[in-house]
Amino acid sequence: NAGVMQNPRHLVRRRGQEARLRCSPMKGHSHVYWYRQLPEEGLKFMVYLQKENIIDESGMPKERFSAEFPKEGPSILRIQQVVRGDSAAYFCASSTTGGTNTEAFFGQGTRLTVV
Amino acid sequence: DQQVKQNSPSLSVQEGRISILNCDYTNSMFDYFLWYKKYPAEGPTFLISISSIKDKNEDGRFTVFLNKSAKHLSLHIVPSQPGDSAVYFCAASAISGGTSYGKLTFGQGTILTVHP
Repeated sequence: NAGVMQNPRHLVRRRGQEARLRCSPMKGHSHVYWYRQLPEEGLKFMVYLQKENIIDESGMPKERFSAEFPKEGPSILRIQQVVRGDSAAYFCASSTTGGTNTEAFFGQGTRLTVV
Repeated sequence: DQQVKQNSPSLSVQEGRISILNCDYTNSMFDYFLWYKKYPAEGPTFLISISSIKDKNEDGRFTVFLNKSAKHLSLHIVPSQPGDSAVYFCAASAISGGTSYGKLTFGQGTILTVHP
């Protein structure tokens, strides 16, 4: 049973380009969460999605960031017109249900560097 | 607004001794607490969790204690091993709008170093 798969592991983008980060949840998991970790900080919640639905996007920046989890395929975190401050590690997690008492399993992350 | 705080950035212990990592929270709506371990360039790995209806949960060398009145939890690792050296994150989950889900609020992390 493969774990949460994220790709790419490393992504370098020039300022103004778009970044697309992909996340395939664990088999049987239908809940996906995206987190961002800035240098020297803890992980910060960005968005929570179920298939074809955004449940909670309270941690997403208002502009340039979007997320989707289509019926088929991986979840995508999209960052348009990247800036240097977007450089961070982006982690995806998945779980079986949306309730508490459910451990979220994390992927290895995508390290985005904006040059 | 740091709702989950780990006030010790680092901790160093000798192999075989006990490691105690601490975590404080401010949001009284948190009802589930988790500890994650993280190695460099990897994602967090779930270690152990505790529900707010309990005050202790044990799994092998790892024990988590919860003091709700003090809004404090701690992770005890005994005996500590060099392979335990990593960053440890405390995380909490809250009931929101009557629906519970796995949205986690993380602390800043504590770097644990276990010396042989």
